[in-house]
Amino acid sequence: GENVEQHPSTLSVQEGDSAVIKCTYSDSASNYFPWYKQELGKGPQLIIDIRSNVGEKKDQRIAVTLNKTAKHFSLHITETQPEDSAVYFCAASLGVNGQNFVFGPGTRLSVLP
Amino acid sequence: ETGVTQTPRHLVMGMTNKKSLKCEQHLGHNAMYWYKQSAKKPLELMFVYSLEERVENNSVPSRFSPECPNSSHLFLHLHTLQPEDSALYLCASSTGVDQPQHFGDGTRLSIL
Repeated sequence: GENVEQHPSTLSVQEGDSAVIKCTYSDSASNYFPWYKQELGKGPQLIIDIRSNVGEKKDQRIAVTLNKTAKHFSLHITETQPEDSAVYFCAASLGVNGQNFVFGPGTRLSVLP
Repeated sequence: ETGVTQTPRHLVMGMTNKKSLKCEQHLGHNAMYWYKQSAKKPLELMFVYSLEERVENNSVPSRFSPECPNSSHLFLHLHTLQPEDSALYLCASSTGVDQPQHFGDGTRLSIL
């Protein structure tokens, strides 16, 4: 089955700096890659996603890149702000049924003022 | 307002109790999911329902029993749970099983 690894597990950056979180997946048939942000006491919230037919997607300060050959994808956050502090999860899906939705272990991002 | 509402937010129960978790989605979605989130472990998919039919059961112990009476409501019935079942239980919904999932804020379950 699919296996998703995520690095780093914790990340601290200064406000205004960029943050990068990387995920790798094992099943080359996976074709959908969402990123979620989870704040304390809340459920995960979808922040950006990408499908395998594109290599990059951007939404304001957030971007995701996908390298299908290497089977890895990354989340980029620019001009970080304290409210970006949260746990971020990547996931990979075969897009066939919900059974194949596999999450990474998460990255705790701290943005220091 | 997340669109996916879970009740109760917190639940403490003994191992011999029977309780139910409730999830309601107001997004018009056709698929609903139960996840378990434990400390320092990835989100674990427990059950998937699509159009009110269970698509997959990921070998979850029978002490967890899901019910999906309609496309807007999902329940997780609990009985004779173990201490290791203490976790955050998250419900999610989507327009289809290959579409983005929208999560509720979860039920924090503690087993005494």
